[in-house]
Formats: sequence, structure tokens, C-alpha cells
Amino acid sequence: GNSVTQMEGPVTLSEEAFLTINCTYTATGYPSLFWYVQYPGEGLQLLLKATKADDKGSNKGFEATYRKETTSFHLEKGSVQVSDSAVYFCALLIQGAQKLVFGQGTRLTINP
Amino acid sequence: ETGVTQSPTHLIKTRGQQVTLRCSSQSGHNTVSWYQQALGQGPQFIFQYYREEENGRGNFPPRFSGLQFPNYSSELNVNALELDDSALYLCASSLYRGTQETQYFGPGTRLLVL
Repeated sequence: GNSVTQMEGPVTLSEEAFLTINCTYTATGYPSLFWYVQYPGEGLQLLLKATKADDKGSNKGFEATYRKETTSFHLEKGSVQVSDSAVYFCALLIQGAQKLVFGQGTRLTINP
Repeated sequence: ETGVTQSPTHLIKTRGQQVTLRCSSQSGHNTVSWYQQALGQGPQFIFQYYREEENGRGNFPPRFSGLQFPNYSSELNVNALELDDSALYLCASSLYRGTQETQYFGPGTRLLVL
């Protein structure tokens, strides 16, 4: 089946630290991959996406590269800010299917 | 801002009651999907509507039902509420043009069942 496994949280970092949140997937087809972010009390916001192998998605200083050989889509940011504190969800979408399949989420807290 | 709106923002119901949640899609989008997010979990797919027809369903019982209207707005109905139905309900709109496009989420409706 299709599934997404994310790095266990919570993750706590100091401001300006380097961030990596690991995400690996299992898919029966050719998925598109997404990172969504959820701020406290809010819905999901699309952070970035990649639709084919070796694509790099980027937004607001965050990056993730679609690695087919390792079935991974790790999220990175070079210098985090307090405002990046949120829950981050990795997700996949199989073309021809209807649903997003989400990981369990990783809670990130950035301390000043 | 995604342009996807949901109402109400919060709702409290008692076990056995029925509830209707509403979603207004982003302009130009023809597909709406509904997800249930339990506390501390990732969202789980309930179902999707495309051009007013159900277009896929997750592992949810029939007491979860939906509608999509000609203006592409949507409703999620849940009958015979159970305590485990307490969750954040998210709708997402997208444009289907032969392939599935990116889904954009609304702010959600938080349902508490007592």
C-alpha cells in the first residue's frame, strides 16, 4: 500500500539552527510529494511540492528533493526562525488516486 | 490564504446527534476532498467529490456522507455521532484536469462530541 513515515517529534532547535525533518514513503505508483505546515489552531498550508524524481521543491527558505532511489523527501532549512514553530506533514498523492496520504506529523519548536 | 473557507469554526454536539459541516472551494476548483484529523495525528481521507459525484472514499462508515453543489461548494454530514468523531475536519479544493492537482486546505472545523 501507500504510506508515509516521518521523523518522530517533537523537535526543538535554537533560532538560526539547521533543520532536517526526515520523510520516507512507500508507493505503488508514481507519487507527487508534498510538505504541508500547520500552525497552532489552523488548517494545513502547502509549503512545497515535487512531482517527479530529482525535482526540488522550495519555499520560504525550506527545500526538499524528491529522491526515488531512497524513496525520501526530507525537509531542510538552513536557518530556522521562531516563526517556523509549527507541525510539519509530509504527504504523497498517487496520480489516478484521489487522496493525499499523510505522515503522522513532526512538531517543531524554535527557541529564541 | 487559500481561498477555501469552512463553517462553522467550532462545534459541540452530543453522542447520537447529526452534524453538517460546510466548505466553499477556491474559485475555479472543481474538486473537493474531506479529511478527518484526530488530535496529534495526520489527516485521514474521508471522501472526494468531483462534479457533484463521489469520486473516491476512504475507510469511513456510511454515516459519513457528503454533497457537492453546482457552485462546487460542499457539505460533510455525519449521522449518529460517536465520541471518536471528535476531530478537526478539513476540506481541500483542487482542480482536476485529467490529473490530480495540488489540494489547498481550508482552516477546518473543530468538532467536539460529548
